[in-house]
Amino acid sequence: AQKVTQAQTEISVVEKEDVTLDCVYETRDTTYYLFWYKQPPSGELVFLIRRNSFDEQNEISGRYSWNFQKSTSSFNFTITASQVVDSAVYFCALSEGGGGSNYKLTFGKGTLLTVNP
Amino acid sequence: ETGVTQTPRHLVMGMTNKKSLKCEQHLGHNAMYWYKQSAKKPLELMFVYSLEERVENNSVPSRFSPECPNSSHLFLHLHTLQPEDSALYLCASSSGVVRTDTQYFGPGTRLTVL
Repeated sequence: AQKVTQAQTEISVVEKEDVTLDCVYETRDTTYYLFWYKQPPSGELVFLIRRNSFDEQNEISGRYSWNFQKSTSSFNFTITASQVVDSAVYFCALSEGGGGSNYKLTFGKGTLLTVNP
Repeated sequence: ETGVTQTPRHLVMGMTNKKSLKCEQHLGHNAMYWYKQSAKKPLELMFVYSLEERVENNSVPSRFSPECPNSSHLFLHLHTLQPEDSALYLCASSSGVVRTDTQYFGPGTRLTVL
């Protein structure tokens, strides 16, 4: 069975600090996809990144970076020089591979990030 | 309009009411989803439609009835709900139903059942 664990329920930082959100996953699939979504107070889940299991290169997009480590089954997300607008709940998700349920996303419980001015 | 839209954004209903949630996607996708997000729980997949055919009914009570008249529109018909059904209901769409297809979400409908 698939599982995604976001151990940090809430994180509070001061603006301009760097912050890392942890995500650990479990799957028996050899091919899978990992996602991060951002949910601001408005409610909409905003897609941030998709990573497949064969691509372990880290990715950077502006102030955002992602560290995928297959050896530890982790897909951590770092925000550099955080800003108040980064305040949101962040979800890590894992897609199920094979069979007839390729579309199923298993979500973690989310991490509430609060960036204070 | 762009992306995925949902109406209404907020809904308060009594346990004996009948109401419907509407979702529309403007992305040219072929798959649409309903999720339920309750406090302190992970997102729960409720229904999946691919090319207007239901491919998933994730053990959802019959008081929730989905309808997908075309690939751009998805409805969730509600009747005789319970207070525990109060939650944020999110709609999503993707180009297909394979694991490579990213799901894009709407802003949700915040439902309160009195």
